[in-house]
Amino acid sequence: EDKVVQSPLSLVVHEGDTVTLNCSYEVTNFRSLLWYKQEKKAPTFLFMLTSSGIEKKSGRLSSILDKKELFSILNITATQTGDSAIYLCAVEESFTGTASKLTFGTGTRLQVTL
Amino acid sequence: DTGVSQNPRHKITKRGQNVTFRCDPISEHNRLYWYRQTLGQGPEFLTYFQNEAQLEKSRLLSDRFSAERPKGSFSTLEIQRTEQGDSAMYLCASSLPGQLYTQYFGPGTRLTVL
Repeated sequence: EDKVVQSPLSLVVHEGDTVTLNCSYEVTNFRSLLWYKQEKKAPTFLFMLTSSGIEKKSGRLSSILDKKELFSILNITATQTGDSAIYLCAVEESFTGTASKLTFGTGTRLQVTL
Repeated sequence: DTGVSQNPRHKITKRGQNVTFRCDPISEHNRLYWYRQTLGQGPEFLTYFQNEAQLEKSRLLSDRFSAERPKGSFSTLEIQRTEQGDSAMYLCASSLPGQLYTQYFGPGTRLTVL
């Protein structure tokens, strides 16, 4: 059965700390890996990763994919209280021609305290 | 607002009643997805439309669930004879066709079955 596993499940850090969130996966028809941020509403898109070893960066957030070892990490530097959220990892699998679906992990709940 | 919209945002119903949710995707997106998210879990794929055609359904989608996208624009998800286990957030997402386009999520409809 396809699965996506995230770790840790939850994390509490102080503002200014750097955090690393992990995502490992086992899926049949891998197309891409995505990171989403979810606060008290729907997930908002952060990154899409398709190639190994190429870091995607957006401000204090960065992510990289290792397709050989089947994992990805999401780094957040100089964390702020506004980074508090659930971070979801999802793997896009193709199933019909160019169509695809997302399989999500359970998420990592990050809390940034003052 | 040009994002994905969903209505209603909240629905409370008694067990055994039927409910219907609506999703309006981003206008140029021809792909539409429904997901369900329960507390502490990532979203789980339910079904997928490309234009008006429903191309994939999850095993999670029992006979009590039906989804339509009659004109290839908005979609509805109906749950008949609701059960308490149907209580969840129902998320809709849409995307452009092709491998390079990710899914963008609506705000969700939170269903509570009493």
